[in-house]
Amino acid sequence: DQQVKQNSPSLSVQEGRISILNCDYTNSMFDYFLWYKKYPAEGPTFLISISSIKDKNEDGRFTVFLNKSAKHLSLHIVPSQPGDSAVYFCAASDWSGQFYFGTGTSLTVIP
Amino acid sequence: GAVVSQHPSWVICKSGTSVKIECRSLDFQATTMFWYRQFPKQSLMLMATSNEGSKATYEQGVEKDKFLINHASLTLSTLTVTSAHPEDSSFYICSARDQGSGSETQYFGPGTRLLVL
Repeated sequence: DQQVKQNSPSLSVQEGRISILNCDYTNSMFDYFLWYKKYPAEGPTFLISISSIKDKNEDGRFTVFLNKSAKHLSLHIVPSQPGDSAVYFCAASDWSGQFYFGTGTSLTVIP
Repeated sequence: GAVVSQHPSWVICKSGTSVKIECRSLDFQATTMFWYRQFPKQSLMLMATSNEGSKATYEQGVEKDKFLINHASLTLSTLTVTSAHPEDSSFYICSARDQGSGSETQYFGPGTRLLVL
């Protein structure tokens, strides 16, 4: 079964507003979490990560929040820009280095 | 939920040998599978798109004679790294599209870590 889930396949947000992308996981052994951004016909590009010893990591407009007790990860983009329109994948890894990806959320930022 | 598996998860081989990596969709049919290679800073480079029953489409700069892709069935695609060299050491990930879902959802495998000595 999927160990990392993104339950919203799509999201639309007005330019300038906040985009919140969510991700849930089931394996408590995951210790590293990543967000990727993917444009059509390209590979996923690494965006931001967080280790399990933290609950927040910020990089410019992108902030990732980790709630270990809820096994929940979220990516906040603020302010959202049209260029942020893409598919966003969350991923988790454990000590073995294997990656477990979610199925992606397609974000559309409306000008 | 849909699951994609990869085998093996780890492989260590000598320089000059060939390594085969399998990507399987476990509970759905995948007419299209994708192969990626992880690069520094953790981004994934699309190597090729594998279509069931036809030749794979390789991205620019990827040697098709070195990275052989076979998609013989709707649930299995294989990537063979021929005459592997240390510079081929990397993390290879496949993903698959669910033919029946009608969506563009991709399901990723857990990856295969290749170390060439």
